[in-house]
Amino acid sequence: DAKTTQPNSMESNEEEPVHLPCNHSTISGTDYIHWYRQLPSQGPEYVIHGLTSNVNNRMASLAIAEDRKSSTLILHRATLRDAAVYYCILRDGQGAQKLVFGQGTRLTINP
Amino acid sequence: KAGVTQTPRYLIKTRGQQVTLSCSPISGHRSVSWYQQTPGQGLQFLFEYFSETQRNKGNFPGRFSGRQFSNSRSEMNVSTLELGDSALYLCASSKGPTGTGGTGELFFGEGSRLTVL
Repeated sequence: DAKTTQPNSMESNEEEPVHLPCNHSTISGTDYIHWYRQLPSQGPEYVIHGLTSNVNNRMASLAIAEDRKSSTLILHRATLRDAAVYYCILRDGQGAQKLVFGQGTRLTINP
Repeated sequence: KAGVTQTPRYLIKTRGQQVTLSCSPISGHRSVSWYQQTPGQGLQFLFEYFSETQRNKGNFPGRFSGRQFSNSRSEMNVSTLELGDSALYLCASSKGPTGTGGTGELFFGEGSRLTVL
């Protein structure tokens, strides 16, 4: 399983943008980049995913490097409810439902 | 639309006992996967079921088993419990293998917290 590397923790202020980096130098051509987050006392929650192009949804944006060896999850205006552990995951594009979680980045939002 | 339901939410067992955890997926979802979360190892994949067939299995001993019923509900069983089995067990459901793309979003339940004494 391809690995991802994320900082253990990050801190930001409320209403400011947050950029969460992820390195995945061994990504294969069929791997999709997925982001999930886990709020305290809850199961993980899907955030966004992409393959090659940058992606936007109501929760966040995903910026993918041209060589696909890294990506950045962007929260445009962080709120206190965004405090969570964020996981960057490479997922087989052939239909597998298995997710390989790393340690993730614990994001703290200061009021 | 109801989410993924896991029961029981909390349970306490003693070493050597066995436990069965249940997961009801979102209506219409046919794929169910199970994960174990511990402070030391993080989130680890246990197994995945689709249409009552196990499609993938993680690196766990044979004491961990599961099954899926015709209505897509799933159960996992852990026999001969050990202290190290204390964990949050999470179930996730999705519509199922999506063929090309494989990008179906997984929806997680809130988990069953098992404590082994």
